[in-house]
Amino acid sequence: EDQVTQSPEALRLQEGESSSLNCSYTVSGLRGLFWYRQDPGKGPEFLFTLYSAGEEKEKERLKATLTKKESFLHITAPKPEDSATYLCAVQTFSGGYNKLIFGAGTRLAVHP
Amino acid sequence: IAGITQAPTSQILAAGRRMTLRCTQDMRHNAMYWYRQDLGLGLRLIHYSNTAGTTGKGEVPDGYSVSRANTDDFPLTLASAVPSQTSVYFCASSEWQSSYNEQFFGPGTRLTVL
Repeated sequence: EDQVTQSPEALRLQEGESSSLNCSYTVSGLRGLFWYRQDPGKGPEFLFTLYSAGEEKEKERLKATLTKKESFLHITAPKPEDSATYLCAVQTFSGGYNKLIFGAGTRLAVHP
Repeated sequence: IAGITQAPTSQILAAGRRMTLRCTQDMRHNAMYWYRQDLGLGLRLIHYSNTAGTTGKGEVPDGYSVSRANTDDFPLTLASAVPSQTSVYFCASSEWQSSYNEQFFGPGTRLTVL
């Protein structure tokens, strides 16, 4: 069964304290892995797409990496404004369409 | 400002009532989607549309219907609401229904069915 698991469920960091969020997946044919940021009461906001193992993408303090079984979202020297829920989703072709399977997310809180 | 709008922002509905959630995009995207988001669960796809005039069932379609009369609008209808349909609903769109196009999300509709 296709599945996406994110860990930890919640993470509390001090400002400047770097860390990583994990997204592990089991899918029959990965077509892409997506990271989104979601602020409370808002819709998910697209961050990155990764397509193949070894690929890396960066945006400001965030860096996403991909292996054959998992992806990491590394946060370097986070600031309070990085506080949000980070969602991971994998895309696979199933049931006749390109299906996005989302993880439950990691709630990140960065304190000054 | 280009993007996706959803209406209403929130709604409290009596069980058994009919409700339509509205979604409009101005990015001229071909594909549109409806998801529900429940606490502790990932976003789950309800219905999708590859292009105007076509629709398809997602992971949790029961109790919901959609239509796609034109490129911009993709309404979601609950014919007879039940309490298990209490959720936050997100509409999304992408240029094409393909693995190379990220999906863009609207702000969501919070629905409570009593």
